[in-house]
Amino acid sequence: EAGVTQFPSHSVIEKGQTVTLRCDPISGHDNLYWYRRVMGKEIKFLLHFVKESKQDESGMPNNRFLAERTGGTYSTLKVQPAELEDSGVYFCASSQSVGMNTEAFFGQGTRLTVV
Amino acid sequence: QKEVEQNSGPLSVPEGAIASLNCTYSDRGSQSFFWYRQYSGKSPELIMSIYSNGDKEDGRFTAQLNKASQYVSLLIRDSQPSDSATYLCAVNMSGGSYIPTFGRGTSLIVHP
Repeated sequence: EAGVTQFPSHSVIEKGQTVTLRCDPISGHDNLYWYRRVMGKEIKFLLHFVKESKQDESGMPNNRFLAERTGGTYSTLKVQPAELEDSGVYFCASSQSVGMNTEAFFGQGTRLTVV
Repeated sequence: QKEVEQNSGPLSVPEGAIASLNCTYSDRGSQSFFWYRQYSGKSPELIMSIYSNGDKEDGRFTAQLNKASQYVSLLIRDSQPSDSATYLCAVNMSGGSYIPTFGRGTSLIVHP
């Protein structure tokens, strides 16, 4: 069974440009999470999809970030326009169910560098 | 603000020793706790989950939970150089959506 896959693995863009990150969750997992890790800090929650619906987007930093999950399969996270402080590793995770004992499985992450 | 705290380390132990990794959390209503291992440049990998007070053993790993003290730990027995990684504590916070919330992670170095 394929795990959570993310694309690209690395991206270097200039300030002001647009970048789109993609996440393919484990097949059959309705729950999809985006997280971000800025250097030296903890992995921070960005948002949570249940199928195609945004369940919780309380962690999204600002309106430069837009996440979508059309059809409840893969998800994209677009940053437009990118700023220097957006640099970090963006992780996607998925889980089969949601609840107290949810176990989330992670992708390898996309390392974003904004210069 | 619901938080998960870990000492960032690094924690350095000799090969064969017991490595003890600690985590505290602020949300008293939390019920589910996880340990992830992350090698440099790789994805976090779930290695242990624990839901009840006490110890849970899986091979060389033992997770310990004390909800009264809001404390969860991971013991690694007979530490190996291949155990060198960052260990992330995650807590499914109460209050609706049970979003996994992570600590900063503890860097473990096992030296030969």
